[in-house]
Amino acid sequence: GQNIDQPTEMTATEGAIVQINCTYQTSGFNGLFWYQQHAGEAPTFLSYNVLDGLEEKGRFSSFLSRSKGYSYLLLKELQMKDSASYLCAVRGIKAAGNKLTFGGGTRVLVKP
Amino acid sequence: GAVVSQHPSRVICKSGTSVKIECRSLDFQATTMFWYRQFPKQSLMLMATSNEGSKATYEQGVEKDKFLINHASLTLSTLTVTSAHPEDSSFYICSANPPRGTTAYNEQFFGPGTRLTVL
Repeated sequence: GQNIDQPTEMTATEGAIVQINCTYQTSGFNGLFWYQQHAGEAPTFLSYNVLDGLEEKGRFSSFLSRSKGYSYLLLKELQMKDSASYLCAVRGIKAAGNKLTFGGGTRVLVKP
Repeated sequence: GAVVSQHPSRVICKSGTSVKIECRSLDFQATTMFWYRQFPKQSLMLMATSNEGSKATYEQGVEKDKFLINHASLTLSTLTVTSAHPEDSSFYICSANPPRGTTAYNEQFFGPGTRLTVL
């Protein structure tokens, strides 16, 4: 089975940095995804990690350690529009249909 | 990026009626699509995997006779909520993967979602 944990809520100030952690225990691993979701909208893709290390994409970076079952999403130079839920998702192996299992999501509130 | 559409975006129906939701991949063929349900302030829960030309694979606890899935073509999957009840009110989201060999294969693209309210 899959078990994915991330904090429920985080609050940060505009212009600051926030790090959202995600830990997982899975029976198979074929990549970890981060999605952003604004209220009432569908998730939008932010990042994908399948090898250990840091992936940087503009103000957003994502890190993966497969041996530790750990990932984080780093949001820099926070803007008010970054207030949203951030979802960590693990993709299972191909034999399991490449399914994504989502964590509970972390609601980030950016304050002025 | 790849585009996935859903229709309708919002539906209100009476208890006991059936509701059909369509999911289309607009610019790529998807042999597999996924259906999720999301309750307020909760994360996405996978309901089923829709496979073109074959039966859908349902997650544990999801009633296949209540949530009928048809993947009739490489660009269309439908979810029918049969005999809907107020507890079925939720945000239903579909997603699809572009084919292996394309640059976007590792992304799962989501439709805009359908908000179902059962009175």
